[in-house]
Amino acid sequence: KNQVEQSPQSLIILEGKNCTLQCNYTVSPFSNLRWYKQDTGRGPVSLTIMTFSENTKSNGRYTATLDADTKQSSLHITASQLSDSASYICVVSPLSGTYKYIFGTGTRLKVLA
Amino acid sequence: EPEVTQTPSHQVTQMGQEVILRCVPISNHLYFYWYRQILGQKVEFLVSFYNNEISEKSEIFDDQFSVERPDGSNFTLKIRSTKLEDSAMYFCASSGGREGQPQHFGDGTRLSIL
Repeated sequence: KNQVEQSPQSLIILEGKNCTLQCNYTVSPFSNLRWYKQDTGRGPVSLTIMTFSENTKSNGRYTATLDADTKQSSLHITASQLSDSASYICVVSPLSGTYKYIFGTGTRLKVLA
Repeated sequence: EPEVTQTPSHQVTQMGQEVILRCVPISNHLYFYWYRQILGQKVEFLVSFYNNEISEKSEIFDDQFSVERPDGSNFTLKIRSTKLEDSAMYFCASSGGREGQPQHFGDGTRLSIL
């Protein structure tokens, strides 16, 4: 069964610190893997999109990595800010041509001053 | 920056009633989607729409659901006879292309069925 699992479920860090969020998936083959940021009460916002052949993708202080062999991805946040407090969702597209993206349950990040 | 807008932000409806959720996608986008998120659960794909027809739908999207693009700007999701389990946040999204293109989400409509 195609699944996307994220860890940790929630995380609290101090402003200015770095953190890494994990995503493990069983979707195979897959077309692309996306990371989204979802603020409370808002829709998800795209951070990065990686195809199966890409290892890393950056967007400002956000860096996503992908290991297609171990079916793992991570999202690294550098020098966290209070505005980084949100849920971060890993999404996998099962194969080329389908829109049935599979969403993880997300990691809730809280950044404290 | 252009954005996807959804109305209403919150809809309360009696069980069995019909409800229409409205979305205005980004104007030059060609692909449109509906997702739902039950409270505390993951986002789930409902349906995708391209070239004025449904291109793909999930098992959730049964005969009670329909989508329409009645004019050049709106994209609607209709639930014919709502059930208690339809209570969820419904997100509309649009994208300019398929592969490798980011989906832009609206802020959702919270649907509460009484």
